[in-house]
Amino acid sequence: DIVMTQSPSSLSVSAGEKVTMSCKSSQSLLNSGNQKNYLAWYQQKPGQPPKLLIYGASTRESGVPDRFTGSGSGTDFTLTISSVQAEDLAVYYCQNDHSYPLTFGAGTKLELK
Amino acid sequence: EVQLQQSGPELVKPGASMKISCKASGYSFTGYTMNWVKQSHGKNLEWIGLINPYNGGTSYNQKFKGKATLTVDKSSSTAYMELLSLTSEDSAVYYCASSYYRYDEGAVYAMDYWGQGTSVTVSS
Repeated sequence: DIVMTQSPSSLSVSAGEKVTMSCKSSQSLLNSGNQKNYLAWYQQKPGQPPKLLIYGASTRESGVPDRFTGSGSGTDFTLTISSVQAEDLAVYYCQNDHSYPLTFGAGTKLELK
Repeated sequence: EVQLQQSGPELVKPGASMKISCKASGYSFTGYTMNWVKQSHGKNLEWIGLINPYNGGTSYNQKFKGKATLTVDKSSSTAYMELLSLTSEDSAVYYCASSYYRYDEGAVYAMDYWGQGTSVTVSS
């Protein structure tokens, strides 16, 4: 199974700050045939199901604010929030979309100071 | 509006089995794969498996083979997950989540739409 490792486990930031969180996979998520990375990011707010933010490592899902940016390739990926808003308080998960079984990281919890 | 409406919370006894439903609306049910995901203690997400509503084909996480059985009823656009021989380890929130195949964009099973979750508590 592909192990997804996220860091840090939690982040405490002030509104307006830039935030970066990491996701590393134990195997490459890059498809050499089409040069696409099969990596998704989700946001989960308390009491709600996860919400898809990013797929293909860097493509924003429709309706997702452009302050959210996904980047990276192979085994190292990053989710950046350019200017954190109060409504971004949530846990962020990455997901291996490359191989069965699909696997998730343990999450990064974003807290506001 | 796309909706995945799951059945309500369940309290079940150890050793029992139960079935969760997930009724889809607002999109082509057979055009999306349906996944099932377990979330324990409000934290860790585990993929249980998926079913293709078009042809009934399934793929399971080895960990959940023998524990979960996935089916669909195309006539009612409803997916089901049966959980067998329940123990306290099965107490969790279970989600259905649909995926649209976008291979050329780097997404095969990225989960676009999610149900609200079904809480299952296994206790005597």
